[in-house]
Amino acid sequence: DQQVKQNSPSLSVQEGRISILNCDYTNSMFDYFLWYKKYPAEGPTFLISISSIKDKNEDGRFTVFLNKSAKHLSLHIVPSQPGDSAVYFCAASSQTGANNLFFGTGTRLTVIP
Amino acid sequence: DTAVSQTPKYLVTQMGNDKSIKCEQNLGHDTMYWYKQDSKKFLKIMFSYNNKELIINETVPNRFSPKSPDKAHLNLHINSLELGDSAVYFCASSQGMVPGGSQFFGPGTRLTVL
Repeated sequence: DQQVKQNSPSLSVQEGRISILNCDYTNSMFDYFLWYKKYPAEGPTFLISISSIKDKNEDGRFTVFLNKSAKHLSLHIVPSQPGDSAVYFCAASSQTGANNLFFGTGTRLTVIP
Repeated sequence: DTAVSQTPKYLVTQMGNDKSIKCEQNLGHDTMYWYKQDSKKFLKIMFSYNNKELIINETVPNRFSPKSPDKAHLNLHINSLELGDSAVYFCASSQGMVPGGSQFFGPGTRLTVL
């Protein structure tokens, strides 16, 4: 029963272009969403988050968009850099679920120099 | 300075054995977690500890038992290992139980059960 889904296992983007990573969720109780970045042989690293009271949060080159009606969020990276190449995990939690994070299966981003 | 560390990084063992994975965080956080990432790359929470109390226990077999000697450590003990236990186990920590509060992850322990 996967409540958070990332349907694209991989994505390749040219350096300097925009990377768009997508995530869908099924549980309407989720009200906080996060993106984590993971390099090989390392643990996930927190990247950016968004509360359900917002529809956009921006941090430098990274912007997360939330569409509550569609139960969809996306991560935009502009401009993409080779160092952004990693696996990106979407995660979600709810106020009633303490800090229990539900993760998607990840999207491997490759930024081509 | 390593924020969240796990030992060992790799663990290969026979079915039926008992093993432990250690986790330490030097961030001063009061909540720690164990996650399992299976072969399908699905990262799922197993346990979390807040102030030495187990507060989340998902549908995990009771062969798995978390032990927290103090706020900075949360070790994972696994009894009677099975083939299906093979996975990467991640430890994490956070300050408080704020929903969505960013969790800091360790590098993972790859467990292989033969």
